[in-house]
Amino acid sequence: DADVTQTPRNRITKTGKRIMLECSQTKGHDRMYWYRQDPGLGLRLIYYSFDVKDINKGEISDGYSVSRQAQAKFSLSLESAIPNQTALYFCATSDPRGLAGVEQFFGPGTRLTVL
Amino acid sequence: DAKTTQPPSMDCAEGRAANLPCNHSTISGNEYVYWYRQIHSQGPQYIIHGLKNNETNEMASLIITEDRKSSTLILPHATLRDTAVYYCIVRVVYTGNQFYFGTGTSLTVIP
Repeated sequence: DADVTQTPRNRITKTGKRIMLECSQTKGHDRMYWYRQDPGLGLRLIYYSFDVKDINKGEISDGYSVSRQAQAKFSLSLESAIPNQTALYFCATSDPRGLAGVEQFFGPGTRLTVL
Repeated sequence: DAKTTQPPSMDCAEGRAANLPCNHSTISGNEYVYWYRQIHSQGPQYIIHGLKNNETNEMASLIITEDRKSSTLILPHATLRDTAVYYCIVRVVYTGNQFYFGTGTSLTVIP
């Protein structure tokens, strides 16, 4: 969905480096999410935020941190990257009101490789 | 926790109906059934959701058994562009509860 953008789209880094993945949305949604996907597996939730002042850990938050700088921006950081954090990362948004509340809108993904 | 069970893969001939099953035997009374799909490595896309009645939209139909322990997603006339991984998810709607995507069913539409 073009309303949810992620940067960078691809990144190769080395073990121990600090990495930030950024997500921006123009949908005006309050809720934002970060997922990771490993080959052959489904998506697993890392962190989610229901508004600028609300940050919650997901299923696999260890080794990650997030920052909700504004309603439209939600960043995911790997303070010291390790090889098993090599994965495809997705940002998503949702709006809890009305029918839109059932749907999450996903960005195009960031492919991260940690050597 | 895995709340749903889906076959890992299925094939379907182009133009035929694709019927994707999902078991959710421990579903609670206030949990909805959602279906998403993921084409190649793109972000997942919402398809349809339902509580207990059958639902239909422009993309698909959702058939939920009377005891709500299983459901079937139907793509009435599958095309090659429907080749994707399909995820069945149960969740209480309009809450902060997470979506657990599981591993889904990889559907291949064959020409």
